Amino acid sequence: EDQVTQSPEALRLQEGESSSLNCSYTVSGLRGLFWYRQDPGKGPEFLFTLYSAGEEKEKERLKATLTKKESFLHITAPKPEDSATYLCAVQATKQGAQKLVFGQGTRLTINP
Amino acid sequence: SQTIHQWPATLVQPVGSPLSLECTVEGTSNPNLYWYRQAAGRGLQLLFYSVGIGQISSEVPQNLSASRPQDRQFILSSKKLLLSDSGFYLCAWSLSSGRKFFGPGTRLTVL
Repeated sequence: EDQVTQSPEALRLQEGESSSLNCSYTVSGLRGLFWYRQDPGKGPEFLFTLYSAGEEKEKERLKATLTKKESFLHITAPKPEDSATYLCAVQATKQGAQKLVFGQGTRLTINP
Repeated sequence: SQTIHQWPATLVQPVGSPLSLECTVEGTSNPNLYWYRQAAGRGLQLLFYSVGIGQISSEVPQNLSASRPQDRQFILSSKKLLLSDSGFYLCAWSLSSGRKFFGPGTRLTVL
């Protein structure tokens, strides 16, 4: 069974304090790994798609990386507006384009 | 550009009452459409998806049903709500890739 585990469940940082969020996955064949940002009471907002081990994507203070077993979302010099829940999801090749398996998310809080 | 709408934004319903949540997508044709539920402290769970008008696939057995009467309209329904149906319901769309775009969500509380 395809599974996604995110850690930590919650992370509190000071403004400017860099850190990383982890997404570990087991999947029969990886078609893609997705990162989303979700603000309270809102729908998830797409951040990145990674397709193969070694791939990296960047957007402002965020950088996503991928290995064969996990993905990291690195946050460099975060600001309070980066506070949100970050969701990781995988799409398996056997599932076609229909199903994403989501982790439970990491709730990130950046204190000014 | 594409936009996705959901309504209502919030809903409080008594146990045993019916449910109808609506989702519409603008700016794209023949999208794949999805209903997800997000319970407190849990990940997003796929409930239904549709690849075309009248085509509905159910991912988990439950008290809910879905319909797609038009290309860009997706409806989530129940005849009798249960307490366990409470949650945050998200509609999403995608084209051929796995990347999905989510709507603003509906917060459903069943009392």
